[in-house]
Amino acid sequence: DSGVTQTPKHLITATGQRVTLRCSPRSGDLSVYWYQQSLDQGLQFLIQYYNGEERAKGNILERFSAQQFPDLHSELNLSSLELGDSALYFCASSVEGTSRDEQFFGPGTRLTVL
Amino acid sequence: GENVEQHPSTLSVQEGDSAVIKCTYSDSASNYFPWYKQELGKRPQLIIDIRSNVGEKKDQRIAVTLNKTAKHFSLHITETQPEDSAVYFCAPSPYNTDKLIFGTGTRLQVFP
Repeated sequence: DSGVTQTPKHLITATGQRVTLRCSPRSGDLSVYWYQQSLDQGLQFLIQYYNGEERAKGNILERFSAQQFPDLHSELNLSSLELGDSALYFCASSVEGTSRDEQFFGPGTRLTVL
Repeated sequence: GENVEQHPSTLSVQEGDSAVIKCTYSDSASNYFPWYKQELGKRPQLIIDIRSNVGEKKDQRIAVTLNKTAKHFSLHITETQPEDSAVYFCAPSPYNTDKLIFGTGTRLQVFP
C-alpha cells in the first residue's frame, strides 16, 4: 500500500457523460500527478499540481480538467466522454514535486466508456 | 519534446537467466534515470534510479547502467524469478523538472 488513495476503483459510463476521479495523496506529500494508461499503452502524463497550484501540463485534452484543493486532495474531471477515454487513470504523489522525488502511485481508477 | 524508447517491447526468459532492457532518450538535459515496475493489475513502483554523475548502481539482483554520451541507460536483472514478470518503464528526466516522461514499457515474462 503506497498511502495514495483513489476513488472510485471502477467507473462505467456512457459517451457524452462527465465523471470526476478523486485522489488523496500520501500524508505530507504536496504534489499530485495524474496519468492515463490505455490498454497495452504506457503511462501518459496528464497534469501535475503542487500545493494547490498547477505546475506542469502534459498531453491533457481540453475536455479534461483537474484541481488540487486546500486539503491537498485532487480531482480529475473528464467531460464529453468518448470511447477512447476508456483507460486506467493513476494518481501519484510526491513530497516536493520534482523528478528527484519518488512518485508513489495510487491503485488507479478504471474508466469504461460505453 | 522528450522522445523515450524502450527495447525490447517484450522479453521472455527462463527462470535464472538474465534480462536486459534498454531505454534511449533524446533530451540531453536528462540527468535522472529511474525504472518503474508495474505488475499485472497493480500500480507502478520505483525499483531503482540513478543520477547522471554515477555510471552504475546495483541493488541485489537489479542494476542500472548509464551511457550519457550515447543517451541510453539499461536495467539489468540477474537470476530472474517468476515474480520479476511485469512491465518495466523507464522515465528519464532533467533533475528538478516537474514531470516524468515514461518510456513505452517492456513486458518481461519469466518462465519457470
